[in-house]
Amino acid sequence: QVTLRESGPALVKPTQTLTLTCTFSGFSLTTTRMCVSWLRQPPGKALEWLARIDWDDDKYYSTSLKTRLTISKDTSKNQVVLTMTNTDPVDTATYYCARTLPYVSGGYYVYYMDVWGKGTTVTVSS
Amino acid sequence: DIQMTQSPSSLSASVGDRVTITCRASQRITSYLNWYQQKPGEAPKLLIYVASILQGGVPTRFSGSGSGTEFTLTISSLQPEDFATYYCQQSYSTPFTFGQGTKLEIK
Repeated sequence: QVTLRESGPALVKPTQTLTLTCTFSGFSLTTTRMCVSWLRQPPGKALEWLARIDWDDDKYYSTSLKTRLTISKDTSKNQVVLTMTNTDPVDTATYYCARTLPYVSGGYYVYYMDVWGKGTTVTVSS
Repeated sequence: DIQMTQSPSSLSASVGDRVTITCRASQRITSYLNWYQQKPGEAPKLLIYVASILQGGVPTRFSGSGSGTEFTLTISSLQPEDFATYYCQQSYSTPFTFGQGTKLEIK
């Protein structure tokens, strides 16, 4: 059974660095083509994809947030960590991690997020 | 970044109705389009990937179609548990992007 669980502080002050951890089971990030994504959802708003890390340590980021985000993995612990620097109240959101799998289509890999964690709510406020 | 636009933003329908939600991409994305369902207070759930492939365990009343820039999610006969918000998401290129969501409400 595949599960993911997000953890991190519920409250951070503006300008602080936010560190979130995704702990997963039921799959390994050493498996070829396996990936994990981080996403977020501000209250009452749409989903936003933040970052992805692949089995080979390739990393991809949101265009608008890439200067503030770092994604990393610890395969021995089955964890993926997302750090966000210089937080602001607009970063208040529920943060999700999701297993990201490939589908081979016409020689290309098409990714989709098949299993999600329950999310962790982060409030940025002084 | 590829922009995804869903229509309508909200929709009222009755149990048993056939419902269609449309998603348009700002550029061609072949069939690299996924659909998710989200209920209040819950994480999103994958319904359909690569435009038309039903995720395991998802009822067959859900179907997806389209390619290029226009895609649809159809629910053939609405059930009470289908009232939720639906999101499309493109996987053609990173950064992945989502539509703004379509909230399906009970009429």
